[in-house]
Amino acid sequence: EVQLVESGGGLVQPGESLRLSCAASEFTFSHYSMNWVRQAPGKGLEWVSYISSSTSTIYYADSVKGRFTISRDNAKNSLYLQMNSLRGEDTAVYYCAREGYYYDRSGSFVRYWYFDLWGRGTLVTVSS
Amino acid sequence: QSALTQPASVSGSPGQSITISCTGTSSDVGGSNSVSWYQQHPGKAPKLMIYDVSNRPSGVSNRFSGSKSGNTASLTISGLQAEDEADYYCSSYTSTIVIFGGGTKLTVL
Repeated sequence: EVQLVESGGGLVQPGESLRLSCAASEFTFSHYSMNWVRQAPGKGLEWVSYISSSTSTIYYADSVKGRFTISRDNAKNSLYLQMNSLRGEDTAVYYCAREGYYYDRSGSFVRYWYFDLWGRGTLVTVSS
Repeated sequence: QSALTQPASVSGSPGQSITISCTGTSSDVGGSNSVSWYQQHPGKAPKLMIYDVSNRPSGVSNRFSGSKSGNTASLTISGLQAEDEADYYCSSYTSTIVIFGGGTKLTVL
């Protein structure tokens, strides 16, 4: 089954670190860009970070820039999110989400800008 | 970057049609055809329902349709069914950032 499975969530204290993982299966992981999206309890979706298929391009939301690091291991079909200096406002369900891309006629990289496959999420709770 | 603006809630009776709006600016919704819509049932992951303003992924009912006019995108659900009751989020992008709407809770009466 084509799927994404997140893991690594849990309860941590403010200022601590946590590393999330996302395992991909039944599709060619290396052919896709990937994203992390989070959802605070009872709130809406918030995009967190993006990484291209080759890891050459990485983006972060301002709210996590300098504290979170996205990475991937295409040989292991895995996506990661290293979260440092965690704050209460980082409490959320974290989803990994797949994004496609293509190269246009001029050879320019074009993102799809939509997420066609999501994991079930992993809950991160930051509290003392 | 500010979230896109959606109504907090909409409702409709089975068989009726409803429309959810998503308002942004010329820098996001108005400036691209990369508007997408997601459905999320309680405790579940979001599911892509519409991409590139009006395209449906394989397997999504043709009761779901999308459109855009200026800085406002819309999701229309026709022939409402009980299983359509969920939260709906629109999404677009600006520069390198993906932005979501605040979400709309659809209640099927």
